[in-house]
Amino acid sequence: DSGVTQTPKHLITATGQRVTLRCSPRSGDLSVYWYQQSLDQGLQFLIQYYNGEERAKGNILERFSAQQFPDLHSELNLSSLELGDSALYFCASSPGTANTEAFFGQGTRLTVV
Amino acid sequence: GNSVTQMEGPVTLSEEAFLTINCTYTATGYPSLFWYVQYPGEGLQLLLKATKADDKGSNKGFEATYRKETTSFHLEKGSVQVSDSAVYFCALRRYKLSFGAGTTVTVRA
Repeated sequence: DSGVTQTPKHLITATGQRVTLRCSPRSGDLSVYWYQQSLDQGLQFLIQYYNGEERAKGNILERFSAQQFPDLHSELNLSSLELGDSALYFCASSPGTANTEAFFGQGTRLTVV
Repeated sequence: GNSVTQMEGPVTLSEEAFLTINCTYTATGYPSLFWYVQYPGEGLQLLLKATKADDKGSNKGFEATYRKETTSFHLEKGSVQVSDSAVYFCALRRYKLSFGAGTTVTVRA
């Protein structure tokens, strides 16, 4: 158990809908990262937050947004969903922004039908 | 920018065979290097790490040495087991955490 909790574990929704994925980082970790893993594109970095502030942005679509709340949990919002958004979405956390390792949650498997 | 390149798979081995997965990186400054493992249906788990040149990370019989002169961090295991079947990711952290494409390893009994 990494200490990073993601909910829900599975999500099935229709095209055009909006969903929210939730992540609770390890106790004491200030940084949260979101990654998308699809079969043909490997692990894609989406966005990073540190103590409530956006720190780095990767290949995140405009239809996607995220935030980190004062209690340090984070949410990833995906809207106007398309079939191609079906993937595993991982959250990871680390103590700060230094060169330490990150710990991953079990992921949320999103299926868009 | 910083990036990681690892050997493409899939790799199929027999039990007790020697495993090597090559990983090279491009980075400014002095990044930390990691190997993560993803077992079927699970999230990524940290397998081992090295934070400076010539450091050797090791765990569960796996080893990797941080080679700054060749910008490499190759993963090795001397005798693999069926339970080592997984996807292995090389990663680099220089503020941002960057991953390689992953190498799928299948070990046959």
